[in-house]
Parts: sequence; structure tokens; C-alpha cells
Amino acid sequence: EVVLTQSPATLSLSPGERATLSCRASQSVNNYLAWFQQKPGQPPRLLIYDTSNRATGIPARFSGSGSGTDFTLTISSLEPEDFAVYYCQQRFSWPPLTFGGGTKVEIK
Amino acid sequence: EVQLLESGGGLVQPGGSLRLSCAASGFTFSSYAMSWVRQAPGGGLEWVSAVGESGGSTYYRDSVKGRFTISRDYSKNTLYLEMNSLRGEDTAVYYCAKAGRGTNMILDYWGQGILVTVSS
Repeated sequence: EVVLTQSPATLSLSPGERATLSCRASQSVNNYLAWFQQKPGQPPRLLIYDTSNRATGIPARFSGSGSGTDFTLTISSLEPEDFAVYYCQQRFSWPPLTFGGGTKVEIK
Repeated sequence: EVQLLESGGGLVQPGGSLRLSCAASGFTFSSYAMSWVRQAPGGGLEWVSAVGESGGSTYYRDSVKGRFTISRDYSKNTLYLEMNSLRGEDTAVYYCAKAGRGTNMILDYWGQGILVTVSS
């Protein structure tokens, strides 16, 4: 099973700042890595798939990069609505599909 | 507009059974794989099961194999998850999610989720 480790667990930033979230896989997942955003009481929303492709309707301030085992989600300038929990997920080696433990982006 | 609406959750005793449903609309149901993902209270996301677009291929995480069954009804555009021998650790919000074609597990749309509580 591919284990995804996200860091940091919590990121405290102010609106307008740049957020950099990390996801490391226990083995290569090629580029089959996705990112989701989840707000309290809501389902996850797909942001990025296959490392760097933005999903439908996702603003350009969200970008993804990486390859193999190390991946990054960058939010170039935080908007108030971006404070949420972010999860990475791999689909290269499954079942099972696996998710990281999440990074909470909170207001500083 | 893609819509996924889960139903069938609730409180069940350990060892009991429950069937979740997910009514799908806004896309060609027969053309996409579907999946169930759960989230324990205060916890992270955990994939549970998936089914291919034809219904012939099914996949499960080890902890639910032999207890859960995923299926789909094309006449009703509905995805199901039959859950038997439920345990406390199955307590979670269960989400259905639309995936891609074939084994393309890009989970691009999710339902609002339904709570399953396993407790005596």
C-alpha cells in the first residue's frame, strides 16, 4: 500500500501570503497524484489531478508540481475562502486508493 | 450539473447491516466508474470501494472485504454499498464519488455524504 505523508500538519498564514503544501509517497506514484480541498461540513473538492492539472472551475492561484515521490501544492496568494484542510491522493497503485493525512491551512 | 445524493445512513448496532444508496444525475452514469470514500469523525479520508463502469469489476479495501458489497443499478442511475457485520470502526461519513472511465480513479465529483454510526 502506498503511504502518503503530508507536511506540515498545520500551516498558519495570513490572507495574501503564499502557501506551500507537501505530499511525499512511500514509493513512486508516477504523476498520478491529486489534491483535494475540504471545508468543515462539506465534501472534498478536487483541485488538482495528475500532479499539475487544475480541475474544472479551480482558480489559477492553485498549482501543483512534483514527480515520483515528492509533490507540492502551491496557493500563490491566499484568499479568505482558501482556509481549509487539503488532502493528497494517489491512483497509481491501487487498490487501495490512498490519501494523505491532510494539511490544515489556518488563519494566522 | 453533476449531482450525487447519498441516503440510507443512520444508527446501527454492531454486527448489523445497512445499505447506502447514491442517486446520480447530470452525467451518463453507465460511462464512469464510481467509488465510496469514508471519513471517521474528526479524521481523514479513507477509500472504501470502487466499481467499474460496467459493474463487472469491483474493488475493496482489505478491512471491508467480505463484509461490504458495491453494486450499481443502471435503470435507476444509483450506486449502492451493502454493509454487513458492521463494527464500531465503520462509523464515518460515507461519500460517493464519480470517477473516470475504466480504472481512471480521478474522483472529480462527490456527494454531500451520509453518516453511519455503529454503536450499541
